[in-house]
Amino acid sequence: AQRVTQPEKLLSVFKGAPVELKCNYSYSGSPELFWYVQYSRQRLQLLLRHISRESIKGFTADLNKGETSFHLKKPFAQEEDSAMYYCALLTGGGNKLTFGTGTQLKVEL
Amino acid sequence: SAVISQKPSRDICQRGTSLTIQCQVDSQVTMMFWYRQQPGQSLTLIATANQGSEATYESGFVIDKFPISRPNLTFSTLTVSNMSPEDSSIYLCSVGAGDGYTFGSGTRLTVV
Repeated sequence: AQRVTQPEKLLSVFKGAPVELKCNYSYSGSPELFWYVQYSRQRLQLLLRHISRESIKGFTADLNKGETSFHLKKPFAQEEDSAMYYCALLTGGGNKLTFGTGTQLKVEL
Repeated sequence: SAVISQKPSRDICQRGTSLTIQCQVDSQVTMMFWYRQQPGQSLTLIATANQGSEATYESGFVIDKFPISRPNLTFSTLTVSNMSPEDSSIYLCSVGAGDGYTFGSGTRLTVV
């Protein structure tokens, strides 16, 4: 069965420090992975997806099939990056999202 | 991307009663999804709702407890029936496809 693991519930970094939010997945098929973000008092929104290979708000994520990982990275954290981040795996013929438990990122001044 | 209006945003309900949550989308979509997020936990898919057919439920969720309606391509409802305190969660609807999913703002349900 598919599974997404985010080992850190809370990650605190100082402003300007690098950020890495970890995500590992388990899936027998070809994975499609996403990062979603939820800012305080806002709805869940798509941050980026591995297929597009784009950088959004300075964040990037590379799919590593060998390590079954899709870690989210940003070289210099900003205060506005403080939010809840969810890694998600698309399965079920492209219709079902399986979410990790989320990591709360706190950027301190 | 589609815009979803979900209501109510929150409710406090007595055990044994039912609550119906509504989601309205600003464009026609084939599939709508309903998720539950229990306190401190991740989002779990409850069911997928297609217009014109019965919803498809995930393991652990049944139609008697979570009946879903999908009368047209822009609207769906999820009912949480015969509620108990264990049903206290955030319920979200979602639409989309493989290029990304859009979520409603969620309904925070507290059962007392």
